[in-house]
Amino acid sequence: AQKVTQAQTEISVVEKEDVTLDCVYETRDTTYYLFWYKQPPSGELVFLIRRNSFDEQNEISGRYSWNFQKSTSSFNFTITASQVVDSAVYFCALSPTYNNNDMRFGAGTRLTVKP
Amino acid sequence: EAQVTQNPRYLITVTGKKLTVTCSQNMNHEYMSWYRQDPGLGLRQIYYSMNVEVTDKGDVPEGYKVSRKEKRNFPLILESPSPNQTSLYFCASSLVAGLGTGELFFGEGSRLTVL
Repeated sequence: AQKVTQAQTEISVVEKEDVTLDCVYETRDTTYYLFWYKQPPSGELVFLIRRNSFDEQNEISGRYSWNFQKSTSSFNFTITASQVVDSAVYFCALSPTYNNNDMRFGAGTRLTVKP
Repeated sequence: EAQVTQNPRYLITVTGKKLTVTCSQNMNHEYMSWYRQDPGLGLRQIYYSMNVEVTDKGDVPEGYKVSRKEKRNFPLILESPSPNQTSLYFCASSLVAGLGTGELFFGEGSRLTVL
């Protein structure tokens, strides 16, 4: 069975601080995808990144970076120099590569960035 | 503009009054699904559809029905809503049902309150 754990329920930081959101997953599949989605206060779900289990290279996109470590089954998300607009709920998700129907979401981490 | 459209966005109803939440996508996606989001539980899948006339239960299907008569539409039906179905609902679609195209495109969400 697949499972995604986001142990941090809520995080609060002050603007310009760096913050890391943790994601730990469990799967028996040898190939899979990992995702991060952002849910701002307006409620929609915004796709941030998809990472194939074959590719353990870390990725950076502007102030966002992702650290994928297969050895620890983790896919952590770091926001550098956080801004108030980063305030949102962030979801980590996992799906097997052969069937995206079985996508599993973590419970989400609510990030609040204070000015 | 490529999008998944849900209606209504907000609804307050009473126990037992049948309601339908519509979902339509304009991306010619094969795969569509419904999720509900509840605090502390993340997103849980209700039903999914791999293609027209093909639907199946997700993790929490009780009290819901779906149909997929056309590729673009995937309505969620609550025949006799109960208060425990008060939730935020998301419709999602993906290009193909398998082979890990992965990324789900979400609608804006429908907040349902059952009194």
